[in-house]
Amino acid sequence: KQEVTQIPAALSVPEGENLVLNCSFTDSAIYNLQWFRQDPGKGLTSLLLIQSSQREQTSGRLNASLDKSSGRSTLYIAASQPGDSATYLCALTGGGGSEKLVFGKGTKLTVNP
Amino acid sequence: DAGITQSPRHKVTETGTPVTLRCHQTENHRYMYWYRQDPGHGLRLIHYSYGVKDTDKGEVSDGYSVSRSKTEDFLLTLESATSSQTSVYFCAISPSDTRSYNEQFFGPGTRLTVL
Repeated sequence: KQEVTQIPAALSVPEGENLVLNCSFTDSAIYNLQWFRQDPGKGLTSLLLIQSSQREQTSGRLNASLDKSSGRSTLYIAASQPGDSATYLCALTGGGGSEKLVFGKGTKLTVNP
Repeated sequence: DAGITQSPRHKVTETGTPVTLRCHQTENHRYMYWYRQDPGHGLRLIHYSYGVKDTDKGEVSDGYSVSRSKTEDFLLTLESATSSQTSVYFCAISPSDTRSYNEQFFGPGTRLTVL
């Protein structure tokens, strides 16, 4: 069974700092990995999707990488802003014999002005 | 905006009553999903659909049923609500049926409280 872990559960940084959020998974036979953002009381917003054949994806100040062999993905946020404060979730499809999306529990990010 | 709406957005009900949540999409995507989100558990898949009248179970399907009689609507029913089903329910769609590009987009959620 695929398991997805995000450490740390919470992270607090000063504005302007570059930061990395981590996601690890137990079965490397994945189809793709998706990063989401969730604001309090809101739904999930898709940030980036990395297909299993890709190593990274970029969107603005965000860069996501994927290393299937080590079972890891990272989300890099450059020049963080208070508006980046949210919970960030990683989820992946495939692995463990399933095509369904399996989520980590998220990292709650606070960017302090 | 993936054109996904959920109704109701908030509901309070009593144990033992039936509850139906609706997910509506405007873009005729084939795949639709129901998740629940709980503190300490994250998001978990309840049921999903890969076409009209085609549905399958997810990780936490006990106590839930679904129906999809039209492409645009996916209904989640709690036949007899229990307090353990108090949760936030999210609907999602996927525009692609390609395994390597199964990007999912989520609705705004329904907060359900079972007293």
